[in-house]
Amino acid sequence: NAGVTQTPKFRILKIGQSMTLQCAQDMNHNYMYWYRQDPGMGLKLIYYSVGAGITDKGEVPNGYNVSRSTTEDFPLRLELAAPSQTSVYFCASSRTGMKTSGNTIYFGEGSWLTVV
Amino acid sequence: RKEVEQDPGPFNVPEGATVAFNCTYSNSASQSFFWYRQDCRKEPKLLMSVYSSGNEDGRFTAQLNRASQYISLLIRDSKLSDSATYLCAVIGSWGKFQFGAGTQVVVTP
Repeated sequence: NAGVTQTPKFRILKIGQSMTLQCAQDMNHNYMYWYRQDPGMGLKLIYYSVGAGITDKGEVPNGYNVSRSTTEDFPLRLELAAPSQTSVYFCASSRTGMKTSGNTIYFGEGSWLTVV
Repeated sequence: RKEVEQDPGPFNVPEGATVAFNCTYSNSASQSFFWYRQDCRKEPKLLMSVYSSGNEDGRFTAQLNRASQYISLLIRDSKLSDSATYLCAVIGSWGKFQFGAGTQVVVTP
């Protein structure tokens, strides 16, 4: 019952460093998403993908990049980390965007990132 | 205007009382609606889907009002364990899930 798996769970970065948050799902879902959630705030969509090879920006894409070479994987790249990127990052997936019975969005457990 | 909006609360509710709150959405073509629960420092988890006719799951009742473009969640006989943030989610444009910022519920003894 893996579902959506994110790594690492915790990471401390220095300003200017780069890193990749990994995300994998084993449910053969077409849609994948990256959200960030700052303390006491709601989810903000960073990037999403509707299938392998297709990605699009969400609300807050600046400072991030993504790729979707396979259905299963959707890594999030942080280039030149800044303190403003200190947040919890959630990866998620859903089967399709259409109204289908049982369709819902599943989240990974989150990655806590601190930039100092 | 945000596509999905919620009253952030907090809603302070005595144990055993009933609490209800809404979520409004701007895209009239939205097809599917959900309520998620998020505990502190945890990932959101599905509480219930919202169907056109309204639906109930134990102490939780969800309603959809397409004319006014909102969904609602009602919690009866509140328990301390109901304290959480409740997120509404809508399948909006491009078929992707969009979330409200969440409504915080605090159940007090």
